[in-house]
Amino acid sequence: EAGVTQFPSHSVIEKGQTVTLRCDPISGHDNLYWYRRVMGKEIKFLLHFVKESKQDESGMPNNRFLAERTGGTYSTLKVQPAELEDSGVYFCASSQGELGPQHFGDGTRLSIL
Amino acid sequence: QKEVEQNSGPLSVPEGAIASLNCTYSDRGSQSFFWYRQYSGKSPELIMSIYSNGDKEDGRFTAQLNKASQYVSLLIRDSQPSDSATYLCAASGGSYIPTFGRGTSLIVHP
Repeated sequence: EAGVTQFPSHSVIEKGQTVTLRCDPISGHDNLYWYRRVMGKEIKFLLHFVKESKQDESGMPNNRFLAERTGGTYSTLKVQPAELEDSGVYFCASSQGELGPQHFGDGTRLSIL
Repeated sequence: QKEVEQNSGPLSVPEGAIASLNCTYSDRGSQSFFWYRQYSGKSPELIMSIYSNGDKEDGRFTAQLNKASQYVSLLIRDSQPSDSATYLCAASGGSYIPTFGRGTSLIVHP
């Protein structure tokens, strides 16, 4: 069984540019989560999808971040325009049910210059 | 503000010893507790979950929970160099969304 995959693994962009991160959850997992870890800080929740619907987006930092999950399969997280403080590692996780164990991807390391 | 606190370490133990990792949490409503292991550049991997007071054992790992003291620990017996990683403690309450600590770096030296 393939795990959660994220693309790209690394991204380096300049302030003001746009970046789109992609997450492919484990097949059959309706629940998909995005998290972010800023250097030196803890992993923090961003948002949660159940299928294609946003269940909880209370962790999204501001309206420069847009997450989508068209068709309830893979998800994208777009940052537009990127700011310096957006640098960090963005993790995606998926689970079969809301209470099920969350399986994490290896993350996308985003660097804003 | 829900917080989970961990000593960042590094915690260094000799091979074969018991490694003891500790965590405290601020939200008394927390019901579920998790330990994740994360190798450098890799994904956090769930290794233990615990929901009630007391000990829970799984192989070389034992999780301990004390809700009165708001304290969670993870013991690793017969530590191996391959156990060297960052261990993340997480807690969740009525919501299933975990609050993570910053992690403790464990080094097991031969």
